[in-house]
Amino acid sequence: AQKITQTQPGMFVQEKEAVTLDCTYDTSDPSYGLFWYKQPSSGEMIFLIYQGSYDQQNATEGRYSLNFQKARKSANLVISASQLGDSAMYFCAMREGKDAGNMLTFGGGTRLMVKP
Amino acid sequence: DTAVSQTPKYLVTQMGNDKSIKCEQNLGHDTMYWYKQDSKKFLKIMFSYNNKELIINETVPNRFSPKSPDKAHLNLHINSLELGDSAVYFCASSRRDTNTEAFFGQGTRLTVV
Repeated sequence: AQKITQTQPGMFVQEKEAVTLDCTYDTSDPSYGLFWYKQPSSGEMIFLIYQGSYDQQNATEGRYSLNFQKARKSANLVISASQLGDSAMYFCAMREGKDAGNMLTFGGGTRLMVKP
Repeated sequence: DTAVSQTPKYLVTQMGNDKSIKCEQNLGHDTMYWYKQDSKKFLKIMFSYNNKELIINETVPNRFSPKSPDKAHLNLHINSLELGDSAVYFCASSRRDTNTEAFFGQGTRLTVV
């Protein structure tokens, strides 16, 4: 079974509108971290936001917020006031406890395209 | 200052050749990784090293051999390159905590012809 699922291969959003990118995860480890990365066309991986499994509040970083619903095992990324520069691939990732080797496991990604 | 640097950025080589990709991090992290990103953009872990010791070796052909001379370096050597090895290879590093992000190098685009 996939550990991280991103069901939207591609999405369009109008500039200045908000958009939600979906991510569901699967783990039996009580301690885990959830991450979102952005990969623009230039190829680098840019860290956006982190949510810990024990965090009570949803994470926010500027225009990025994470809608964390633990019972549903979802960690959706919300981008407010989309900008043309937000056009990129977005990856959801999870890191489980130390016994899992500390690696980040990635979802398949969502390509976001912002329309002017 | 570049946090995680890998060289070269582009590598074009013929089938059957042996090549290496170098990676260095100056963040003081104790864990380093190699990821492979295929043509469909899927990122898959290949190796994870902690304090120079191999922690994870996913189902990777033994033509791929990582070498960690010290905590700051994790190089990837590939023998007998095949067409299917063409991909972007990312080096990354992190602290060994679930609540810290991994920092990625800029990637090496390997093309085997």
